[in-house]
Amino acid sequence: IVLTQSPGTLSLSPGERATLSCRANQRVSSSYLAWYQQKPGQAPRLLIYGASTRAAAIPDRFSGSGSGTEFTLTISRLEPEDFGVYYCQQYGNSLTYTFGRGTRVEI
Amino acid sequence: QVQLQESGPGLVKPSETLSLTCTVSGAPISNYYWSWIRQSPGKGLEWVGYLFYSGTPNYNPSLKSRVSISVDTSTNQFSLRLNSVTPADAAVYYCARLAITTGLYAFDIWGQGTMVSVSS
Repeated sequence: IVLTQSPGTLSLSPGERATLSCRANQRVSSSYLAWYQQKPGQAPRLLIYGASTRAAAIPDRFSGSGSGTEFTLTISRLEPEDFGVYYCQQYGNSLTYTFGRGTRVEI
Repeated sequence: QVQLQESGPGLVKPSETLSLTCTVSGAPISNYYWSWIRQSPGKGLEWVGYLFYSGTPNYNPSLKSRVSISVDTSTNQFSLRLNSVTPADAAVYYCARLAITTGLYAFDIWGQGTMVSVSS
């Protein structure tokens, strides 16, 4: 399964809403879709799993939605610390994982 | 608090074997799945493989012929071996916990990562 993320880069101001897309070339079970945030020099951090469940300690301005082949990560009101690269990830029928190529969010 | 720490050589010669170890603290290694993920400089994330302590590993098909992941429950560590490396294998290698047993099917805890260069 190939995950295509768009846009490649998102330039927004603090307080604005960010909408990130992750599209799969085959159906993905919602249980197996996750989102991560990565800041420069740091390991990725799990934000969302099961397409819409926030991981521990993740602020409620982050939300995930979608099903089938279309998934969305929304940041309702951008904070300066939300800059970074966001990746979607899926777990497939062949028991393998793939990541999208990422969306860079510039504040 | 569960923590992961990668260790191993930062430089490997072409055609040789890359070997890394991840030390798990704060949880028994036998309760979870464990994985390796890598990130080439300036690039995205690439899943390498995962295993449960008592199960059969699953590997990225693109690396399957060269990769091996194993667990040592006595030391609470798991390891990665990648044979016949080329410069394309240079990357930051992360170890991560894969929370399949809790239904997350996602990588919920990561090590800080270790950079591995490939050069003669």
